[in-house]
Amino acid sequence: GNSVTQMEGPVTLSEEAFLTINCTYTATGYPSLFWYVQYPGEGLQLLLKATKADDKGSNKGFEATYRKETTSFHLEKGSVQVSDSAVYFCALRNSGAGSYQLTFGKGTKLSVIP
Amino acid sequence: GAGVSQTPSNKVTEKGKYVELRCDPISGHTALYWYRQSLGQGPEFLIYFQGTGAADDSGLPNDRFFAVRPEGSVSTLKIQRTERGDSAVYLCASSLFEKETQYFGPGTRLLVL
Repeated sequence: GNSVTQMEGPVTLSEEAFLTINCTYTATGYPSLFWYVQYPGEGLQLLLKATKADDKGSNKGFEATYRKETTSFHLEKGSVQVSDSAVYFCALRNSGAGSYQLTFGKGTKLSVIP
Repeated sequence: GAGVSQTPSNKVTEKGKYVELRCDPISGHTALYWYRQSLGQGPEFLIYFQGTGAADDSGLPNDRFFAVRPEGSVSTLKIQRTERGDSAVYLCASSLFEKETQYFGPGTRLLVL
């Protein structure tokens, strides 16, 4: 079956620090990969996505590259801000017929301090 | 435009009671999904609607859970004989078509006492 494993949190960083949140996956076929973000008091929002191997998703200074050989989709940002404090979820959606449901990791809480 | 909305935002009920949770998807979105998020976990799939029909309800944990979408827009998740283990945040998402980006609502936080 499908599964997503992401690094345990919480992660606390100082403003302007470099961020990496690791994500690895197990899936049949060729999944699409996603990072969702949940800001305090808000719903899940799509942050970025990649639909095939070697694709790089990017948004708001965040990047993640779809690595088929290592089954990974690590999230990175060069310089975090206090406003990036949120819970980040890695997710996949499998390819093929009936492929609509998202499978999520447990989430990684990021706190950025001034 | 308006996003996905869910009501109520919070629901407290007693063990054994019946609850209904409502989801209003983005206008024109044909696909609608329900997920459940327990504390400290990621969302878990419950059910998927394409139009009015439940295309996949394999994620519903047992027959106490049921969902409808009678006119292909608003959906209601119904839980009978609630148990304390049903306490979670219930998330609704919609997408234009089946494999398009899913947009999530703010969730309904259900607490069963």
